[in-house]
Amino acid sequence: DGGITQSPKYLFRKEGQNVTLSCEQNLNHDAMYWYRQDPGQGLRLIYYSQIVNDFQKGDIAEGYSVSREKKESFPLTVTSAQKNPTAFYLCASSTSGGWTEAFFGQGTRLTVV
Amino acid sequence: GIQVEQSPPDLILQEGANSTLRCNFSDSVNNLQWFHQNPWGQLINLFYIPSGTKQNGRLSATTVATERYSLLYISSSQTTDSGVYFCAVGGKPNFGNEKLTFGTGTRLTIIP
Repeated sequence: DGGITQSPKYLFRKEGQNVTLSCEQNLNHDAMYWYRQDPGQGLRLIYYSQIVNDFQKGDIAEGYSVSREKKESFPLTVTSAQKNPTAFYLCASSTSGGWTEAFFGQGTRLTVV
Repeated sequence: GIQVEQSPPDLILQEGANSTLRCNFSDSVNNLQWFHQNPWGQLINLFYIPSGTKQNGRLSATTVATERYSLLYISSSQTTDSGVYFCAVGGKPNFGNEKLTFGTGTRLTIIP
């Protein structure tokens, strides 16, 4: 089935550790995005990529890093520099850019313990 | 960037009632989407509607691009309609508009 797969669904991390969230899509989409959602809040953009080997910072990129080495994959690393990493992370993809319809994965809940 | 405002922030209705959710945006858009976030957090695509009117069962949406707003209508509400509804917009394909910007959502609660 075509879609966007995020893994793992739940992730626990000790303070001070880096952790990488996976996002894979088989929709042949050029653009991919990472959003963060805090309880009771909307979605805020962390990073986005319109094409392989290129990505741009979103509104809250500090403490995060990404790579886009393959079209179908856009992993997000939450570094120890991120002060409040506990959140729900959502990955999305679209044909090309924010002006085309986007589809989301099921999300990863990250908890720092 | 484009600003997106949704209203009302919260809405509590009896089962069977109708509701209207509003999304205002600050600039021209090439993309407007409505999503329903289910209790497990997943965002379900409801409509891709940068302009015009669409209907899907009990749900319909209208976007008036020239006046910079969109409306989501839910008729004969069911408890499964409960959740948060988000509006998201993307600008014209120019530099800086590559991203999809979300509103803060409307939390809908349907009471049996």
